Amino acid sequence: DTGVSQDPRHKITKRGQNVTFRCDPISEHNRLYWYRQTLGQGPEFLTYFQNEAQLEKSRLLSDRFSAERPKGSFSTLEIQRTEQGDSAMYLCASSPPGTASGNTIYFGEGSWLTVV
Amino acid sequence: AQSVTQPDIHITVSEGASLELRCNYSYGATPYLFWYVQSPGQGLQLLLKYFSGDTLVQGIKGFEAEFKRSQSSFNLRKPSVHWSDAAEYFCAVGSYNNNDMRFGAGTRLTVKP
Repeated sequence: DTGVSQDPRHKITKRGQNVTFRCDPISEHNRLYWYRQTLGQGPEFLTYFQNEAQLEKSRLLSDRFSAERPKGSFSTLEIQRTEQGDSAMYLCASSPPGTASGNTIYFGEGSWLTVV
Repeated sequence: AQSVTQPDIHITVSEGASLELRCNYSYGATPYLFWYVQSPGQGLQLLLKYFSGDTLVQGIKGFEAEFKRSQSSFNLRKPSVHWSDAAEYFCAVGSYNNNDMRFGAGTRLTVKP
């Protein structure tokens, strides 16, 4: 079990460009989450998948943001027309099915985005 | 909606001294409470969690936390801090399905030699 994997770890892009991040959850974890973390702040919830269904989206997820999990395994988070305010670390997390154990969320190491 | 307050932005302790990091939560139902640790530029590692049962929970790296419903608190403690404990610590509260876990702003721990 290799843990939650995110790629790329770092991305520098020019304002207006599109970027895409990939997340591979822990195998057999059916729940997948995206969070955003800015400097000096805790992670903020963006969206949640159960299998391939996107069940919840935060108001932070503007129409420039889109997340997919087409086969219920890996997920992508795309940001279109990036703005400087999008600079942050994007964290992916997953959790297993079930109740008690399913409430524990395991995080990846994050993808840093810098928009210049 | 649930929320978390970590009153201390930055704490400095000497190596070998005891540590307590404060966390207060707001949640209407039974809370699911977590402490995570984050080293610079890294993701979050789960230290411990509370769902139900014994209000004193043990975690990894010698940490423990006590759930006090009457005070809406879930403070993290360690009897003797090591230099490697220097990091950012986040308290979080979730629900039974954890679709929208909320984090505090974090407490940065500095350990003096």
